[in-house]
Amino acid sequence: AQKVTQAQTEISVVEKEDVTLDCVYETRDTTYYLFWYKQPPSGELVFLIRRNSFDEQNEISGRYSWNFQKSTSSFNFTITASQVVDSAVYFCALSERASGTYKYIFGTGTRLKVLA
Amino acid sequence: DARVTQTPRHKVTEMGQEVTMRCQPILGHNTVFWYRQTMMQGLELLAYFRNRAPLDDSGMPKDRFSAEMPDATLATLKIQPSEPRDSAVYFCASGLVQAGGSSYNEQFFGPGTRLTVL
Repeated sequence: AQKVTQAQTEISVVEKEDVTLDCVYETRDTTYYLFWYKQPPSGELVFLIRRNSFDEQNEISGRYSWNFQKSTSSFNFTITASQVVDSAVYFCALSERASGTYKYIFGTGTRLKVLA
Repeated sequence: DARVTQTPRHKVTEMGQEVTMRCQPILGHNTVFWYRQTMMQGLELLAYFRNRAPLDDSGMPKDRFSAEMPDATLATLKIQPSEPRDSAVYFCASGLVQAGGSSYNEQFFGPGTRLTVL
């Protein structure tokens, strides 16, 4: 069965520290997509990145980077030199082509607190 | 800057009243999702539309919830009668499935409707 696990419920770091948010997924599909979303205190879900199952290349966008490893079914997210504005809940999600709907399976989220 | 819009942003109502939430998906998107977010259950999928047709509403309590897409620019989620346990934030999201279902782009979420049922 498909599943997304974000084992870290809450993480607190001091500003400028690096932090990695873990995401482990389960799927039997060979074609799937993985996503990260940010939910700041305002409540809106902000799209950060999409990865398809055939693209294991790591990605860097400014202070954000993502490490996709199919061998361990993980799609981890690292924030370098964290800032207070990074404080939010971060969700990892899985979408399978076999489902036909591409509906998301969300993890439970990781609350990141960056302290000044 | 295309965005998904939702109205109302906040709604406080009394138990037993009808509640209607509206969503305008991004122009050109062919899929619409309704999600509910609570502290206890996290983000749950309630309903899914593709090309305005409902394809999956298995997450929705059928006796009181209904979802429709009267046209490509409007999706509605209705609760009748509402109950205190329906208090949550309801998100609408839209996305684009490529022709033939071969690939999929990300979902874009609206700001949500915060519903409080007293």
